[in-house]
Amino acid sequence: NAGVIQTPRHKVTGKGQEATLWCEPISGHSAVFWYRQTIVQGLEFLTYFRNQAPIDDSGMPKERFSAQMPNQSHSTLKIQSTQPQDSAVYLCASSSGQGQDTQYFGPGTRLLVL
Amino acid sequence: QQKVQQSPESLIVPEGAMTSLNCTFSDSASQYFAWYRQHSGKAPKALMSIFSNGEKEEGRFTIHLNKASLHFSLHIRDSQPSDSALYLCAVSMTNSAGNKLTFGIGTRVLVRP
Repeated sequence: NAGVIQTPRHKVTGKGQEATLWCEPISGHSAVFWYRQTIVQGLEFLTYFRNQAPIDDSGMPKERFSAQMPNQSHSTLKIQSTQPQDSAVYLCASSSGQGQDTQYFGPGTRLLVL
Repeated sequence: QQKVQQSPESLIVPEGAMTSLNCTFSDSASQYFAWYRQHSGKAPKALMSIFSNGEKEEGRFTIHLNKASLHFSLHIRDSQPSDSALYLCAVSMTNSAGNKLTFGIGTRVLVRP
């Protein structure tokens, strides 16, 4: 079991450019979560999917952020017109969605917007 | 909106001592309470979780929950240098981790040999 896979591990973009982050959940897990971690704000929820359907996007900045899960093996988080304040570690997690399960986190993508 | 706060912000403990971490939450309807540990540059990793009032022990780790006080804690017995990490508490409104987690900002622990 390779765990949750996130690519790229590091990304540097210029202000105004687009960034796409990829997540491959643990095989068989039905729930996929996106979080963002900064020193100041800590670990914040962005959005999540269950069985590929969007369930809760209450943490997503509405204008420039979007997330998709086109199939059960990957999810993407897209940030349009990136701004310096988007610099953070973006973490993806997955859970089995059954019983008293656990969220397993990937290593994250460190995004730096210059 | 759920507010989760942790104390202390940071902690230095000698090797072999007890480490005690605290977490308070604001929504009394919360049902799932967990601790995660994150070593520098690594993914957060679940340590323990609890659903009902009381105590749960796994090895050197003990989690204690008091819903009436809106408080839960993590205690690490015989702390080791490898326990040095950022500790995050997390709360969910459902009785599983299959829903969004609200995290505290973390307690940074340093265990000195």
